[in-house]
Amino acid sequence: DQQVKQNSPSLSVQEGRISILNCDYTNSMFDYFLWYKKYPAEGPTFLISISSIKDKNEDGRFTVFLNKSAKHLSLHIVPSQPGDSAVYFCAASGRTGNQFYFGTGTSLTVIP
Amino acid sequence: DTEVTQTPKHLVMGMTNKKSLKCEQHMGHRAMYWYKQKAKKPPELMFVYSYEKLSINESVPSRFSPECPNSSLLNLHLHALQPEDSALYLCASSQVAGTYTDTQYFGPGTRLTVL
Repeated sequence: DQQVKQNSPSLSVQEGRISILNCDYTNSMFDYFLWYKKYPAEGPTFLISISSIKDKNEDGRFTVFLNKSAKHLSLHIVPSQPGDSAVYFCAASGRTGNQFYFGTGTSLTVIP
Repeated sequence: DTEVTQTPKHLVMGMTNKKSLKCEQHMGHRAMYWYKQKAKKPPELMFVYSYEKLSINESVPSRFSPECPNSSLLNLHLHALQPEDSALYLCASSQVAGTYTDTQYFGPGTRLTVL
């Protein structure tokens, strides 16, 4: 049973434009959310996180938005660059432990 | 420094072989993890070590045997694997297990192929 879902397996965006990656979750006990970026043949790299007490967190070109009532989070990348082309995973964890639940990933391609 | 290293990068083994995967971190983290990732799937948690003790075993078959010799090292011993065990094996670490706001940092993974 997939508790964290990324319904778009792929996304293509022009360089310089905004990339919006979406993630939905079902478990209302999740309180901490993260985005990871993964290149082929490499491990996931931590990008940005947000806890449930916030609805927005920014780090440079990356902003994560959290809508707890909709159980939805999104990652905005502005402006998108070709080097951002990778698979992006969202992950969630709850107060019951340190287990992360990962989404299935969205493959982002930024077209030069 | 947020580096987690894993060796080897690639491993090909037969179903009767015994091999080990190694993971190392020098960030002073006290929690370490093994994940398995199949193509186009999210990472699946296998084991969690907290302060060098096994705290979570996600019903992993006994042909996978984890070991944490010290706070910086994590091994995964492999024996009598099946072809369906072929996957990317990822190691991760975090400051303290059980803290839900703790970020996990991943190594580059070992690509395992079982023939």
